[in-house]
Amino acid sequence: SAVISQKPSRDICQRGTSLTIQCQVDSQVTMMFWYRQQPGQSLTLIATANQGSEATYESGFVIDKFPISRPNLTFSTLTVSNMSPEDSSIYLCSVVPRLSGNTIYFGEGSWLTVV
Amino acid sequence: AQTVTQSQPEMSVQEAETVTLSCTYDTSESDYYLFWYKQPPSRQMILVIRQEAYKQQNATENRFSVNFQKAAKSFSLKISDSQLGDAAMYFCAYRSANTGNQFYFGTGTSLTVIP
Repeated sequence: SAVISQKPSRDICQRGTSLTIQCQVDSQVTMMFWYRQQPGQSLTLIATANQGSEATYESGFVIDKFPISRPNLTFSTLTVSNMSPEDSSIYLCSVVPRLSGNTIYFGEGSWLTVV
Repeated sequence: AQTVTQSQPEMSVQEAETVTLSCTYDTSESDYYLFWYKQPPSRQMILVIRQEAYKQQNATENRFSVNFQKAAKSFSLKISDSQLGDAAMYFCAYRSANTGNQFYFGTGTSLTVIP
């Protein structure tokens, strides 16, 4: 498995501002993903964070709104830009560690509320 | 895209009893992985159990076991001797062994454990 540290764990944000979520893993991982989980809903994949290159975004998510960085194999950031109340969600960093048997592991999540 | 269906939005079980959560999936592939994740109120997604499609034997992890029916594309989770700490949202997930990196999640089942 992997130990995934994600911060902030919770924040209240003003409409129109941006917030960056950090994700640090204790070991090198092959894949890192960012998911969004809206209240009472399942997980929706935002993008795959690629090391040293632009992230791969899923339909409905764009780089201008959710810029992602992954400068190395153990760290990634997700920024939620120009936030609106519809962005109030839990944002989950997740990884597939090497030798994990293709299993995905999750950080504690960042619960953002936009007011 | 593959779809994962959890037809039970909510379930309840008496403490110490057994409960089964249902999951079906749609795929044309023969090689894949299936997972059950637990998300307690603390929000962190925790791996409960995983199953490789090529294995006929059902996976077990202590009080948790699965009934994997490949032909029926069914993957149910059985929780024996239910404990109060089992109360959580449970998500079924699918991942192809060959095509793409994405994990597909069901909509979740909220499990209540009654003392």
